[in-house]
Amino acid sequence: EPEVTQTPSHQVTQMGQEVILRCVPISNHLYFYWYRQILGQKVEFLVSFYNNEISEKSEIFDDQFSVERPDGSNFTLKIRSTKLEDSAMYFCASSVSGQQETQYFGPGTRLLVL
Amino acid sequence: GNSVTQMEGPVTLSEEAFLTINCTYTATGYPSLFWYVQYPGEGLQLLLKATKADDKGSNKGFEATYRKETTSFHLEKGSVQVSDSAVYFCALVANTGGFKTIFGAGTRLFVKA
Repeated sequence: EPEVTQTPSHQVTQMGQEVILRCVPISNHLYFYWYRQILGQKVEFLVSFYNNEISEKSEIFDDQFSVERPDGSNFTLKIRSTKLEDSAMYFCASSVSGQQETQYFGPGTRLLVL
Repeated sequence: GNSVTQMEGPVTLSEEAFLTINCTYTATGYPSLFWYVQYPGEGLQLLLKATKADDKGSNKGFEATYRKETTSFHLEKGSVQVSDSAVYFCALVANTGGFKTIFGAGTRLFVKA
């Protein structure tokens, strides 16, 4: 069964450094999403992406965040200058046209900012 | 705004007990409703969904019915197993564009042998 994959599974970085989290969505999916879950808190929406454009973003998704689909298979989340409070599990998700509400999640990248 | 409220955990049950995890929602229009499960050390897995009122989603012995009149989507299972120990998230997608998923806080379930 096709799955969303994410790399790396864990990343440790120093405050102020840039990180790029990578995702490979399910191959025939056209809608892509990033969510995050700070330890012990709710899963929160960050951004949705379709047709090489951001469809919607939350107030969390400020100027330090960006997303990109650099090729036909990858979808990336870049955090330009990490802060301690960016430490969280980041989930990528994708969905197919016509059933956009049904999103399939990757296993997550655990980001720790020191 | 749109939101999901689910019962606080943890919920501790013995094997073969009946499970109910309550979930209520607030949303404009007619959202789609979901239950996701997160096993220890893993990501979010879609467990079941319902897209309109009175629909029943079911999977792996779990069921939930979309009740518009009570704005609820309670998760039930007749006989839990130790392997069902996980965190369960109720969620909605409001069909108003963007398709962002809004999650409840999650309910941790422990099943004892």
